Amino acid sequence: EAQVTQNPRYLITVTGKKLTVTCSQNMNHEYMSWYRQDPGLGLRQIYYSMNVEVTDKGDVPEGYKVSRKEKRNFPLILESPSPNQTSLYFCASSLSGTGVEKLFFGSGTQLSVL
Amino acid sequence: GENVEQHPSTLSVQEGDSAVIKCTYSDSASNYFPWYKQELGKGPQLIIDIRSNVGEKKDQRIAVTLNKTAKHFSLHITETQPEDSAVYFCAALHPWGQNFVFGPGTRLSVLP
Repeated sequence: EAQVTQNPRYLITVTGKKLTVTCSQNMNHEYMSWYRQDPGLGLRQIYYSMNVEVTDKGDVPEGYKVSRKEKRNFPLILESPSPNQTSLYFCASSLSGTGVEKLFFGSGTQLSVL
Repeated sequence: GENVEQHPSTLSVQEGDSAVIKCTYSDSASNYFPWYKQELGKGPQLIIDIRSNVGEKKDQRIAVTLNKTAKHFSLHITETQPEDSAVYFCAALHPWGQNFVFGPGTRLSVLP
């Protein structure tokens, strides 16, 4: 089944403790992206990757890191999480990232930073 | 940069009635406008999209209209059913960017 898989679904952590949210897709998509969803703000892009070893900042990249060593994986790293990073996170992928394409989203990761 | 507004933020309709959600965008160069549906506990899923060279597109009970001059586009759902209850997001894409800008979402409730 074609899908984008995120783990974990729920995560509670404390301020400053490094964490990684994993994202994997099995559709051989070139483009992958991370979004955060906050009430009243919709989905805001954190980082995106057009292909392996190519990443770029989205609208809200501060406090996050990403890597794209393999085509299928695009982990989101919070080196020193803070309470304002409490949010619902979504990973998404599309075939080539040229723009006019369907985004496939994962099921989300609810992160709480205490 | 692009800014997308979406109204209303919440919408309740009776089963069988129509629902309309409206979005406006700021960048006249944006040329692709998808709509995503997010059910509880799931990620958003594309339900319909429209490109800037088209004024209207229909797919069964859902349709999207685009007014490039006014820079707004709308989602129309006819004969609503309880399974249409969800959060709906509009988005806009600039032709030279890889960044979809999403609206804040509309929570649609279809009352039986």
